[in-house]
Amino acid sequence: QVQLQQWGAGLLKPSETLSLTCAVSGGSLSGYYWSWIRQPPGRRLEWIGDINHSRNTNYNPSLKRRITITLDTSENQFSLKMTSVTAADTAVYYCARKYSGYARRLDHWGQGTLVTVSS
Amino acid sequence: EVVLTQSPDTLSLSPGERATLSCRASHVVSRNYLVWYQQKPGQAPRLLIYGASNRATGIPDRFSGSGSGTDFTLTISRLEPEDFAVYTCQQSGDSPTFGQGTKVEIK
Repeated sequence: QVQLQQWGAGLLKPSETLSLTCAVSGGSLSGYYWSWIRQPPGRRLEWIGDINHSRNTNYNPSLKRRITITLDTSENQFSLKMTSVTAADTAVYYCARKYSGYARRLDHWGQGTLVTVSS
Repeated sequence: EVVLTQSPDTLSLSPGERATLSCRASHVVSRNYLVWYQQKPGQAPRLLIYGASNRATGIPDRFSGSGSGTDFTLTISRLEPEDFAVYTCQQSGDSPTFGQGTKVEIK
């Protein structure tokens, strides 16, 4: 059974860098895209970006300038970095596995990490 | 960007009743890329339906999805107590987007 366990700093000051990591157990990184999604309080889910085993990345155009998603195959984990955070980046951040063949979907999710940006 | 608009925002129903949730897209969405999730407070979303009408592993058959083009529907044939939650649609194309969610609450 695939499980995603995520962690990272939950309280940041404006202009700092958000850093989250998601460890994958019970399955290989190969054959899937590994995604980050966030949900600001009271707002809809927002796709941030994803990466595959070949380290091909896709980023949300509205966030592309500030985000980097990386993959560590030796540790079976992937990470998100977002620079220059503001209060607008306050959200619950989720990692997820994306099945990227026919009928793409996010079929396994991490537990979520609340990141609050406040001075 | 494909904007997904769900209706209604809130659906108040009793256990045993039928729930019909709508997801309307601003542009045509391939059936392959229309997904539904269930989310309960404090939990991550859970995959329900993919490819517009395919139930994910372990999802009861009271959940069904339909639709094409710009109009998609999630139906819960008879609500069980554990079905009261928020349901969100997603288009999983090259730049994925999500609907704002429909809350199914106990009447």
